Amino acid sequence: SAVISQKPSRDICQRGTSLTIQCQVDSQVTMMFWYRQQPGQSLTLIATANQGSEATYESGFVIDKFPISRPNLTFSTLTVSNMSPEDSSIYLCSVKTGIYGYTFGSGTRLTVV
Amino acid sequence: TQLLEQSPQFLSIQEGENLTVYCNSSSVFSSLQWYRQEPGEGPVLLVTVVTGGEVKKLKRLTFQFGDARKDSSLHITAAQPGDTGLYLCAGESSGGYNKLIFGAGTRLAVHP
Repeated sequence: SAVISQKPSRDICQRGTSLTIQCQVDSQVTMMFWYRQQPGQSLTLIATANQGSEATYESGFVIDKFPISRPNLTFSTLTVSNMSPEDSSIYLCSVKTGIYGYTFGSGTRLTVV
Repeated sequence: TQLLEQSPQFLSIQEGENLTVYCNSSSVFSSLQWYRQEPGEGPVLLVTVVTGGEVKKLKRLTFQFGDARKDSSLHITAAQPGDTGLYLCAGESSGGYNKLIFGAGTRLAVHP
């Protein structure tokens, strides 16, 4: 299965600033997925990122708040813009591995103060 | 909108007890996956069930997919403290747009 390197692992940010999270995969993948996991909760899909096209966002998530880049088949970034304390969450990237099953990065724990 | 209802959300048991976690939906999924997540880590895939009625075993864990592919269960026999963690079910939708829909998760604590 794929190995995902996600950076940073954690950060504490001031409200109103932005943070860019990087996700590097050790193999080429068509789709990469970005999730949010709020404290004590399950995972919610933010968007799906395909190389060479604009990301597809789920209901409740917009590009201005969570811009995504996908410059090649092994890398993607998610930016959390104009942060507020409500954005404090774990953000995870994921790729599909094989016919069934997904691999996740270890996540970025974001605290906004 | 496809939803997965997972229950119970919290489970605190003694070592050696058995437990079952349920995942139910009104929608049909192309596959149902179970993950386990440790603090500070991303979810790790335990098993994928694809065929209605399918049963898979992973040591003391038994996974079942409903005949109609709308529900699934995870049964742990003789739970051990090492089983402590967050268990997540996730359904994969299809129709030209694959994505995972997660249940709320079950936080399991097994006490010695």
